[in-house]
Amino acid sequence: TQLLEQSPQFLSIQEGENLTVYCNSSSVFSSLQWYRQEPGEGPVLLVTVVTGGEVKKLKRLTFQFGDARKDSSLHITAAQPGDTGLYLCAGGWNTGNQFYFGTGTSLTVIP
Amino acid sequence: KAGVTQTPRYLIKTRGQQVTLSCSPISGHRSVSWYQQTPGQGLQFLFEYFSETQRNKGNFPGRFSGRQFSNSRSEMNVSTLELGDSALYLCASRPVSDEQFFGPGTRLTVL
Repeated sequence: TQLLEQSPQFLSIQEGENLTVYCNSSSVFSSLQWYRQEPGEGPVLLVTVVTGGEVKKLKRLTFQFGDARKDSSLHITAAQPGDTGLYLCAGGWNTGNQFYFGTGTSLTVIP
Repeated sequence: KAGVTQTPRYLIKTRGQQVTLSCSPISGHRSVSWYQQTPGQGLQFLFEYFSETQRNKGNFPGRFSGRQFSNSRSEMNVSTLELGDSALYLCASRPVSDEQFFGPGTRLTVL
């Protein structure tokens, strides 16, 4: 049983389209991170959210932490081929130093 | 500043053998975590070392072990390899903050 479930698992869209990826859990987290992983590389941190309801923007990427700190979403506006990759969410608690990773969403943006 | 390095990048072993993987963290980072990534289970936490001490441990059998040296470099060892151990093994180093910096991983194939 995965602590963090991501949806959709796979997503293939045309360049210029918008998309949203979801990360859901029944557990409450102190913080939640989003990573992007490209083939042959390790994940790269995109953002960390710590406050319920928090919204952070990184250029065309918008991240939201749910009010109850159990879920998060990543919205990409006008997707580009360079956005292609595996998007991972990871939840953590202040009491530990361990992060639990979600199941991942594999995004392909077609030129 | 150099990133996290992992050696070797690729490894092929047979069932029953043992393997040692190496990770050199970013200079100044004292925390090193190890993860196993497979298509079916995603990214799963193995263990974390801080100042040569194991600080956290995931839910893996005792065949998986690790250590950290005084220069923060870390090794993980898998004994009596099984086919299911085939995976990408990722190392991540971390400063005081929650941001993890991942290496490119070691791709282990068990035949």
